[in-house]
Formats: sequence, structure tokens, C-alpha cells
Amino acid sequence: DTAVSQTPKYLVTQMGNDKSIKCEQNLGHDTMYWYKQDSKKFLKIMFSYNNKELIINETVPNRFSPKSPDKAHLNLHINSLELGDSAVYFCASSQDSTGATGELFFGEGSRLTVL
Amino acid sequence: DAKTTQPPSMDCAEGRAANLPCNHSTISGNEYVYWYRQIHSQGPQYIIHGLKNNETNEMASLIITEDRKSSTLILPHATLRDTAVYYCIVRSHGANSKLTFGKGITLSVRP
Repeated sequence: DTAVSQTPKYLVTQMGNDKSIKCEQNLGHDTMYWYKQDSKKFLKIMFSYNNKELIINETVPNRFSPKSPDKAHLNLHINSLELGDSAVYFCASSQDSTGATGELFFGEGSRLTVL
Repeated sequence: DAKTTQPPSMDCAEGRAANLPCNHSTISGNEYVYWYRQIHSQGPQYIIHGLKNNETNEMASLIITEDRKSSTLILPHATLRDTAVYYCIVRSHGANSKLTFGKGITLSVRP
């Protein structure tokens, strides 16, 4: 079983569309994250949720709206897609939000291409 | 902003030890040194972390200098599958702790 799974793995869409990426973790972790990796390969944190509550919200356009229906799921909805949104989006989870347990587990990524 | 500096790339021969350096001269007393790697087209993978003491696990060893201003990740017997981008990250523990990635170092293991 994949610990952190994301769907879809690939997404190609037109500018202006709305799309969602889903993430699920089966590790029993309390904290989940979304990271964005752009074409220059920089990995940047976007959001973090702990027990369904938003705890980290970096300077991300409000077209991006994360939703956590339960602590095992963290979805990312993007409205009015722009060319600059093209990237690989990684979901991750950790046991808690303090870092004391050390490790983040990452999914395999969802490659979004906006045409 | 990343608080670490790493060379952009290095290579090593398969079967030899790979020693990956990292500078973190502004590290605070409560910040840990973490290493992750990202193999092409995959999600980042945790390798190891430490505070002051040297650490070893099944993947690698982490050597932290006494002043904690630099560290070295050692892959004792590099294989072709170790070719990846390796990220050295400093991170404090506490509420809402963040893992912030820098540019990393690209390690190429040659046959």
C-alpha cells in the first residue's frame, strides 16, 4: 500500500479552468502538507494542516484552496488556472506538526500542465 | 529562505563513499540538520537528521561539526540508484515547524 497517494498523477488543462488534486495518507498521521515544485526544481511549501486545521499558509494566491475533510485527506483545489501554475505538486504527511518525530513522507507528485 | 549552502553538484564512483558537504553557519541552538533526497521524478525521501551528535542509520551517516556550522552526509557505498538531488535543511522543532528546501546538491554516481 502506498503511504501517501495523490491523484491524478498527470493533469493537462486549459487556462481559466478549475481543477483539484487529491491526497490521502494511510499512516495515521496528524499533519499533511502541499508543496509546489516549479520548472526550476525549487520545492516550496504552500499549506499545512494539522488535524483538519490550517496551520501554515504561505503567500499563495487565493485561487488555491486546500480542504481537509478528515486528517487522512488533504485536497488542493485551484481556480482560474494560469500558465504559472504549471508545476509538480507534492503532498506529504508527518506524525505531528512539531517536527519532533522527524520525518515527512511525500507522495509521488501530481504534474499539472496548464496550456 | 534556505539557511544552508551546498555546492551545486558533485560526482563519485560507484562503490565508493560519497561525502556531501553542507554549511549552516547561522544555525540556532534549537535547529536540527536534516537531509532529504529526491530521485528524478519522485517525491523527496527522508534520509537522516541530527542535532549535535553524529547519527547513523541504514541509509547514511551524518557528521556534524562541534560548532554545528557545517555537516557532512556520508553514503558509505554509493550505487547508481543514489544519483539524486540531496537537500540539507535546518529545521527547528516546535509548533507548526516547517521543512524549507533549498537548491540542494546534485549527486551523480558514475559506473
